[in-house]
Amino acid sequence: NAGVTQTPKFRILKIGQSMTLQCTQDMNHNYMYWYRQDPGMGLKLIYYSVGAGITDKGEVPNGYNVSRSTTEDFPLRLELAAPSQTSVYFCASSSGDRYEQYFGPGTRLTVT
Amino acid sequence: LAKTTQPISMDSYEGQEVNITCSHNNIATNDYITWYQQFPSQGPRFIIQGYKTKVTNEVASLFIPADRKSSTLSLPRVSLSDTAVYYCLVGVPPDSWGKLQFGAGTQVVVTP
Repeated sequence: NAGVTQTPKFRILKIGQSMTLQCTQDMNHNYMYWYRQDPGMGLKLIYYSVGAGITDKGEVPNGYNVSRSTTEDFPLRLELAAPSQTSVYFCASSSGDRYEQYFGPGTRLTVT
Repeated sequence: LAKTTQPISMDSYEGQEVNITCSHNNIATNDYITWYQQFPSQGPRFIIQGYKTKVTNEVASLFIPADRKSSTLSLPRVSLSDTAVYYCLVGVPPDSWGKLQFGAGTQVVVTP
């Protein structure tokens, strides 16, 4: 199993551009999450999903959108990128009834 | 969700035992305590979880006193590869899984 995969690994955006961060898991997990981590800080939850077609906001959802059309995929959309969105983005998944979240390798995004 | 407080950083030498205490005064009856480890440029990795008393696995031990207002992660005989950030989280799956907060964590630095 590949676990949780994320693409791209790195990306540089100009202010105002848009992009989609891809996340795929092959563990048949119902729960999926998007976090961002700024330098020297902990992770902040952006959005999460408890199953296909169901998403909800986390702590810092402004400037982002998500969709969950399948169990495997949970893309994160950035509209009108701003320098404040420069961060490392982690996708994670879990079975929901267990305590363990499995994290992807992250996407390092720079907005200039 | 219960707020957690951990030391910002801890230093240790190889071969020593490292104990990280997390305070969670407002822990709820159903909450579990979960610890994650994060290496630089990687997503967090689940280490251990427990509800009360003591839990041990191949990586660490978790000590939880009877009042459950704190917990201590114990890393026996650390090596350089244990240098990482350690996060303490409190909650109960699946209800709180969309609201979990990774704080700044505890930076553990192991030196020769």
